[in-house]
Amino acid sequence: AQSVSQHNHHVILSEAASLELGCNYSYGGTVNLFWYVQYPGQHLQLLLKYFSGDPLVKGIKGFEAEFIKSKFSFNLRKPSVQWSDTAEYFCAVNARAGKSTFGDGTTLTVKP
Amino acid sequence: NAGVMQNPRHLVRRRGQEARLRCSPMKGHSHVYWYRQLPEEGLKFMVYLQKENIIDESGMPKERFSAEFPKEGPSILRIQQVVRGDSAAYFCASSPPSGADTEAFFGQGTRLTVV
Repeated sequence: AQSVSQHNHHVILSEAASLELGCNYSYGGTVNLFWYVQYPGQHLQLLLKYFSGDPLVKGIKGFEAEFIKSKFSFNLRKPSVQWSDTAEYFCAVNARAGKSTFGDGTTLTVKP
Repeated sequence: NAGVMQNPRHLVRRRGQEARLRCSPMKGHSHVYWYRQLPEEGLKFMVYLQKENIIDESGMPKERFSAEFPKEGPSILRIQQVVRGDSAAYFCASSPPSGADTEAFFGQGTRLTVV
């Protein structure tokens, strides 16, 4: 069975600080990997995705993530966060079809 | 191209009533997934459906919950005799026929409150 672990439950940063959110997954086969953002009271929005190819993936709003197969990791990064990045972030994995397994989420609070 | 449409956005039910949540997938998408998000938790898979077929219901509670995706019309998640613990956000996602690089698109969710 697949599982996804997000290491940080709540992260608090000041504006302009750099961000890295950890995500590790457990699955023996080939996977697709995703990061979603959920702003308060809103639905999930896709930040970026990895299917194959270059393990460094660039997404919207200046986010990027690096897939490290040997570590089963897909960490999310942003060089300089803004107050508007305050949201909840979810890492997800699917086995190339069908359902996705989500991590429990990381709440990011950016202080102005 | 409209996205995944869920309605209602907010639903209040008294304990013991039935809740019906609807999901219209994106045009051309034949696969629908339902997820539940309890407060302070991530999304948990419930059920995966194709038109007129349940493909995977491993995440569905054994009682009171059912889902369908008829040949015509939206997918319906039905919760009978709701209890307070059913209060959550229910998200639907849809995708085209499965392939190696299938991405699911999410709706805005239905927030169910049981009073």
